[in-house]
Parts: sequence; C-alpha cells; structure tokens
Amino acid sequence: NAGVTQTPKFQVLKTGQSMTLQCAQDMNHNSMYWYRQDPGMGLRLIYYSASEGTTDKGEVPNGYNVSRLNKREFSLRLESAAPSQTSVYFCASTQNYGYTFGSGTRLTVV
Amino acid sequence: KNEVEQSPQNLTAQEGEFITINCSYSVGISALHWLQQHPGGGIVSLFMLSSGKKKHGRLIATINIQEKHSSLHITASHPRDSAVYICAVHPAQFVNQFYFGTGTSLTVIP
Repeated sequence: NAGVTQTPKFQVLKTGQSMTLQCAQDMNHNSMYWYRQDPGMGLRLIYYSASEGTTDKGEVPNGYNVSRLNKREFSLRLESAAPSQTSVYFCASTQNYGYTFGSGTRLTVV
Repeated sequence: KNEVEQSPQNLTAQEGEFITINCSYSVGISALHWLQQHPGGGIVSLFMLSSGKKKHGRLIATINIQEKHSSLHITASHPRDSAVYICAVHPAQFVNQFYFGTGTSLTVIP
C-alpha cells in the first residue's frame, strides 16, 4: 500500500546514545516533515524538507539532525539522546495540500 | 500564541449523539485538515478543505473562510469514533508549514 513508512515503531535509548529514525514515502511527494507529539502540546515541527536536497528547521530542532537522502527518504538523527526527547515521533509527507502520516515511533530515553 | 484553537479540549458523548468539534484560526490559509488519532495509534487525514463542506459517511466537515472557522460533525456517534481529532491549517504565507491545534479528545460511551 502506498504511504509513509516509519521505522522503528518503538525504541528505548539510554541517555547519550544515538539513533536514526527512518522515514520513506512512495507517493512521489516533494515535502516531508518530522514532528514530535507530547501530551498536551500537540504536534510540533522538528525539521522539514521542501524538496530533495533541502532541509529547514522547524519549531523544536535542537538536539536533532536530518538528512533528505533522496526524494523518498527523510531520516531524523538523535546524536546524544536526552530524557527530554522522550516522545512520539511522526514523519509526514505532502503534495498539493494532501497530507499523509507515518504510523509513529514511540521513543523513550532513560 | 497559538494560531489554531480547538474546542472543546475534551468531550464525552453517549452513543448515538450528534457531536461537533470546532476549530478557529488566526491566519490566512490555503487549506485546512481534520486529522484523527486513535489511542496509541497513527494519524489519519479525514478531510482537507479549502471552502464549503465535505461529507464522508457519518462525518461532515465545514469551513467558513471569512470567519476563519471550521467544524467537524459526527452524526450517530459510535464508540469506535473515540479518538483525538486534530485541526491543522496550511497557512497561505508559508508554503511548507502547517499549524496544528492541540486536539479534541472524544470519548463515546456505549
């Protein structure tokens, strides 16, 4: 099925560890996004990529890096995880105002 | 400052009731989305609106661009409608941005 695929679905990290969240879409969308969702705060934009080869910071970029490897893939990296990064992470892609989300990654940093 | 405000924040209804969730926004927009998130689940786009009204099954979404207001209605509510409903707008000024409401948590009791 066409859509946005995120991996992993769950992850537990120790403080200071690093990891990369993967996201891929097969809808030929230009724009891709990484959000975090925390209780009572709604979705907040971490980074976005308007097109292959470009990335821009969103509302809460500190502690994260991204790579738009090609048109399909947009990865989010935590270089040194902190407990404040415990959250649910969603990748999304859009084209012509249509909006598709991945199923989310539940990350816990202990 | 939150560009998108939703009300109510929480809503409990008896099965069969007619439900309305409201969304007000403060910026000019190109489109508005209604999203649904079941507990522990991913995020699904229900509607994308730029004017008028859309209907899908028991769900109806309306938008009034002049008043900067949208409503999501659920007719004959069912326990499976229990979810968080999120309003998101695509601001006209920023092509690649979305502003999100903090969501309305709906519980439908059998």
